[in-house]
Amino acid sequence: DTGVSQNPRHKITKRGQNVTFRCDPISEHNRLYWYRQTLGQGPEFLTYFQNEAQLEKSRLLSDRFSAERPKGSFSTLEIQRTEQGDSAMYLCASSQFQGYEQYFGPGTRLTVT
Amino acid sequence: AQTVTQSQPEMSVQEAETVTLSCTYDTSESDYYLFWYKQPPSRQMILVIRQEAYKQQNATENRFSVNFQKAAKSFSLKISDSQLGDAAMYFCAVNNNNDMRFGAGTRLTVKP
Repeated sequence: DTGVSQNPRHKITKRGQNVTFRCDPISEHNRLYWYRQTLGQGPEFLTYFQNEAQLEKSRLLSDRFSAERPKGSFSTLEIQRTEQGDSAMYLCASSQFQGYEQYFGPGTRLTVT
Repeated sequence: AQTVTQSQPEMSVQEAETVTLSCTYDTSESDYYLFWYKQPPSRQMILVIRQEAYKQQNATENRFSVNFQKAAKSFSLKISDSQLGDAAMYFCAVNNNNDMRFGAGTRLTVKP
């Protein structure tokens, strides 16, 4: 299966710690997206890349959040100085072209204690 | 900004019967794409069906079909011959220039 993969699947951290998540998109997809999903809600857009360029960032993405996609392949999402409000499922998706369907990974569930 | 409203937090259907999930949206764009995604419990989001806004013909994918009313900005999903495996959260989404917005979802229960 060559779908979107995310690691780790679960992360428990203490408030104030830094965490990093990884996403590996479908290999031929040049667009990669990060979303945050809280319980009972739909995914909320955070940021997206076209190849290695980060083209858009949501206002939800505070200064504590940073995302990279070196070489236009996998991507990382780092959260610094985590807060309890950061607890959520972080979803990654990829697509081949603008407007086309996005394929989602299984997500990383973050719990900040 | 685009917004998506799913007015039915929960729906239930008897196995083998038909159910329709509602979705309305608001966008200032004339060219956009609409999607329905399914998210089974503790599993990842799966694309159910896709509709281009410039196409008048409603999309169909096996037991899943949509009723797309562009003027009314309505995009409902019809599931025919419901199966137990259809039980999941269903999210409606609108995508324009990679600004994908999702509704809050409808939880579908299928009764045997």
